Amino acid sequence: AQSVTQLGSHVSVSEGALVLLRCNYSSSVPPYLFWYVQYPNQGLQLLLKYTSAATLVKGINGFEAEFKKSETSFHLTKPSAHMSDAAEYFCAVKSRDDKIIFGKGTRLHILP
Amino acid sequence: DTGVSQNPRHKITKRGQNVTFRCDPISEHNRLYWYRQTLGQGPEFLTYFQNEAQLEKSRLLSDRFSAERPKGSFSTLEIQRTEQGDSAMYLCASSPPRQGATSEQFFGPGTRLTVL
Repeated sequence: AQSVTQLGSHVSVSEGALVLLRCNYSSSVPPYLFWYVQYPNQGLQLLLKYTSAATLVKGINGFEAEFKKSETSFHLTKPSAHMSDAAEYFCAVKSRDDKIIFGKGTRLHILP
Repeated sequence: DTGVSQNPRHKITKRGQNVTFRCDPISEHNRLYWYRQTLGQGPEFLTYFQNEAQLEKSRLLSDRFSAERPKGSFSTLEIQRTEQGDSAMYLCASSPPRQGATSEQFFGPGTRLTVL
């Protein structure tokens, strides 16, 4: 069965600093992986997705993620944090029967 | 706005009451999903429809929960005899006809249920 584990329920970075949100996956088949962002009292917005075409995936708002099979990881990064990046971020994997299985989320805090 | 819409956005009810939520998917999306998100957790799958057919129900969906999508367009999720443990954000998502395994799910803003 597929699953994802997000390391760190809260991450704080200074404005302008590198953002790194960690995600490890477990899957018996080549995974389809996603990162979603959720702003307060809103639904989920897709940041980016990995579909086996390229290991480095670029998303919206300057985010990107790299698929590393050897490490079973799909960490999310952004070179320079902005105050507007403060939100909750979810790593997710798509199951073979089309369900999306989410991690528990990482709340990103941006320090001025 | 052509995104997924959900109504109401917030619902406060007393324990034991019935509640019903509505989801309107993106036009021509044939798949519709319901998820539940409790505080501090990621969304968890509840059920999904392909057109009007309900194809799968999670074991999280107790007998008090029922979902319908009568004409293959909007969907309703009803909770009977609500319990405090039902308090959560209920998210709806829709996706277009499957294109490989990468069709994206588009999420609505959710309905936040508070059971007193």
